[in-house]
Amino acid sequence: DAGVIQSPRHEVTEMGQEVTLRCKPISGHDYLFWYRQTMMRGLELLIYFNNNVPIDDSGMPEDRFSAKMPNASFSTLKIQPSEPRDSAVYFCASRPWDSLAGPNTGELFFGEGSRLTVL
Amino acid sequence: AQSVTQLDSQVPVFEEAPVELRCNYSSSVSVYLFWYVQYPNQGLQLLLKYLSGSTLVKGINGFEAEFNKSQTSFHLRKPSVHISDTAEYFCAVSDKYNTGKLIFGQGTTLQVKP
Repeated sequence: DAGVIQSPRHEVTEMGQEVTLRCKPISGHDYLFWYRQTMMRGLELLIYFNNNVPIDDSGMPEDRFSAKMPNASFSTLKIQPSEPRDSAVYFCASRPWDSLAGPNTGELFFGEGSRLTVL
Repeated sequence: AQSVTQLDSQVPVFEEAPVELRCNYSSSVSVYLFWYVQYPNQGLQLLLKYLSGSTLVKGINGFEAEFNKSQTSFHLRKPSVHISDTAEYFCAVSDKYNTGKLIFGQGTTLQVKP
């Protein structure tokens, strides 16, 4: 398997522009997570999906952020309008359901991240 | 809700020396515990996890961690580090029952010097 695939790897944009980050999870994984990593705040969970359904979006900073998962093989994280404080590395991760060990036990598989710079 | 505190932001150590990276967690329910490693410009990779059973857990690359319920700790150890272990290490916790969330600590940068 190719692993979790994120695009773009790097994005530089100007304040006010719309940004769309994309993620293809590992086939067969039931959970998909979006994290944001900054020096100041570390790794923050933004939102996660189970079987394409958003379960918890309490980490989404504000209404400018939205995430969708239209099918099991694709998710997007959109920022509109973008601001300089959104500059960060955004990670997508997926996790399988472990039918033997139970929920929340499986390893998260991370993509390589999308580094966003908003000028 | 769960939270994780990694007590050291940076740990410098010489090659072949032992190292311990400290992690404490807080939770009102039973939890699973994890350590992940992040090499520069990469995503995170699982080092080891504690689900149940023996409190001493062995992971990849010679790392191990010990779960201490009374002290709510899950410290990571390696008896002899290599230059290649230089990376950022994250402790993480998830709720056993209800949510799928994995909450990470702030991370500890391990700097192995020759």
